[in-house]
Amino acid sequence: DGGITQSPKYLFRKEGQNVTLSCEQNLNHDAMYWYRQDPGQGLRLIYYSQIVNDFQKGDIAEGYSVSREKKESFPLTVTSAQKNPTAFYLCASTLKDSPSSYNEQFFGPGTRLTVL
Amino acid sequence: GIQVEQSPPDLILQEGANSTLRCNFSDSVNNLQWFHQNPWGQLINLFYIPSGTKQNGRLSATTVATERYSLLYISSSQTTDSGVYFCAVETGNQFYFGTGTSLTVIP
Repeated sequence: DGGITQSPKYLFRKEGQNVTLSCEQNLNHDAMYWYRQDPGQGLRLIYYSQIVNDFQKGDIAEGYSVSREKKESFPLTVTSAQKNPTAFYLCASTLKDSPSSYNEQFFGPGTRLTVL
Repeated sequence: GIQVEQSPPDLILQEGANSTLRCNFSDSVNNLQWFHQNPWGQLINLFYIPSGTKQNGRLSATTVATERYSLLYISSSQTTDSGVYFCAVETGNQFYFGTGTSLTVIP
């Protein structure tokens, strides 16, 4: 089945540790995104990537890092520099319609990160 | 960046009632989507609707791009419709989300 997978579903981290969240898609989508959602809030963009080996910062990139070595994979690292990392993290992907617009965005099931 | 506002923020309905959710956006957009976030956090695609009207069962959506708003209609609501509804717009290669409408349908 085509889709977006995220792992792990739940993640617990001690303060001062870096953790990496996995996101994989087999939809052959061009662009991939990472969002953060805090309780009762909307989604805020952390990073996005339109093509392999290229990515751009979103509104809240500080304390996070990403890589895009393969089209189907877009891992997110939450570093110890992120002051309040406890949140729900969602990965998404989409096809590119044209140089300036994108098609429908699809989401993975998310990872809940808790810092102890 | 573009501003996306959703109303109402909260809505409580009796099962069987109808409702209209609204999404206003502050600038021209390429695309617009409606999502339903279920209690487990999964975002489910409802409509991809940059303009015009679409229907899917009890749900329908209308986007008037020239006036910068979109409406999501839910008819004959069911308890399984409960959750948070988000609209998202795409412009400049980024997607921007509203803060959502939290819907509770009571039996």
